[in-house]
Amino acid sequence: SAVISQKPSRDICQRGTSLTIQCQVDSQVTMMFWYRQQPGQSLTLIATANQGSEATYESGFVIDKFPISRPNLTFSTLTVSNMSPEDSSIYLCSVGTSASTDTQYFGPGTRLTVL
Amino acid sequence: GNSVTQMEGPVTLSEEAFLTINCTYTATGYPSLFWYVQYPGEGLQLLLKATKADDKGSNKGFEATYRKETTSFHLEKGSVQVSDSAVYFCALSDPRTGANNLFFGTGTRLTVIP
Repeated sequence: SAVISQKPSRDICQRGTSLTIQCQVDSQVTMMFWYRQQPGQSLTLIATANQGSEATYESGFVIDKFPISRPNLTFSTLTVSNMSPEDSSIYLCSVGTSASTDTQYFGPGTRLTVL
Repeated sequence: GNSVTQMEGPVTLSEEAFLTINCTYTATGYPSLFWYVQYPGEGLQLLLKATKADDKGSNKGFEATYRKETTSFHLEKGSVQVSDSAVYFCALSDPRTGANNLFFGTGTRLTVIP
């Protein structure tokens, strides 16, 4: 399995600001995903980060609010823009590998609190 | 469509008790099934998986058997420890798209008391 790190691990932000979360993988992976986990809830897929092209967003999520970059096969960023308290969540990066095409491996998450 | 229905929590058990967390699924075709665990303050870790009917996934004393006839993948452990306190998520991957689409249950919080 891949080793995945995320930065920052947690942050407290003011309303109206933006935060960029980084996801780094120790090996090249085919698929990278971003999830949101609101307090006490399950995971919701935000988007699939595509290398070299625009991310594929799930229903209810838009690029203006959650811009995503994936410049190469080991790195991606998710920005939470113009934050409000409703954006307070854990944001998780996950990856799918060619060796195990049906499985996703998750990073440790970024715990975001918006005041 | 694809969906996962998971036993409501929270579940509180005494140390060394037997654990069962129920999970049933709806899917077209033959999905792969997973249990993920989320320890306090951490991300999700893959606990175990099964890829076809009658497969048994196992790890750290936990087991789950892929039951196609009952569309179930219940998680069991014979003797829980305080360190097993966590939230457990059942999930399936869409057989048509593999890891592209992962469907999660709502999660079950387990607390083990000494």
